[in-house]
Amino acid sequence: ETGVTQSPTHLIKTRGQQVTLRCSSQSGHNTVSWYQQALGQGPQFIFQYYREEENGRGNFPPRFSGLQFPNYSSELNVNALELDDSALYLCASSFPNQPQHFGDGTRLSIL
Amino acid sequence: DQQVKQNSPSLSVQEGRISILNCDYTNSMFDYFLWYKKYPAEGPTFLISISSIKDKNEDGRFTVFLNKSAKHLSLHIVPSQPGDSAVYFCAASAITSGTYKYIFGTGTRLKVLA
Repeated sequence: ETGVTQSPTHLIKTRGQQVTLRCSSQSGHNTVSWYQQALGQGPQFIFQYYREEENGRGNFPPRFSGLQFPNYSSELNVNALELDDSALYLCASSFPNQPQHFGDGTRLSIL
Repeated sequence: DQQVKQNSPSLSVQEGRISILNCDYTNSMFDYFLWYKKYPAEGPTFLISISSIKDKNEDGRFTVFLNKSAKHLSLHIVPSQPGDSAVYFCAASAITSGTYKYIFGTGTRLKVLA
């Protein structure tokens, strides 16, 4: 059984650029959640997708957007990058009402 | 507003002894609680969970206790092993709301001394 995989593992961008992060969910999991983890903090919920529809959103601006595909993989897009967007971005997959399983994350650095 | 709080940033315990990690929450709508362990350069790994209809759940060396009246949960690790050294996050969710987002605490770094 393949776990949650994220790509790329590291990324460096400059302010104002756009970025796309990718996530392959664990086999069969139809729910994907994205979290942002700043240094020294716990993961913060960005949004969740269930069967290709957004199913809840945290306190993040609209320049954070996402997609879920029919195979349940997902993308997180961030436009107009700001310095404060530097963080570890975590993807988690699950069945509804079951514990979420996390990937190892994408480390995004904004210069 | 920090809805889930882990007030101890770090904890050191001797190998073989009990580790007790604590977590407090403020939102009475939370009905599902989890503990995750995180090693450097890896994503959080699910350890154990508990529903609000229970007050205890046990899985091997790991036991989670929930005190709803105090809005407090704790993770007990017995016996502690050096491989348990990691950052531990508690998380809470209001599953009945229809979304399954987790609210995480800031983590407690556990160091088990050999």
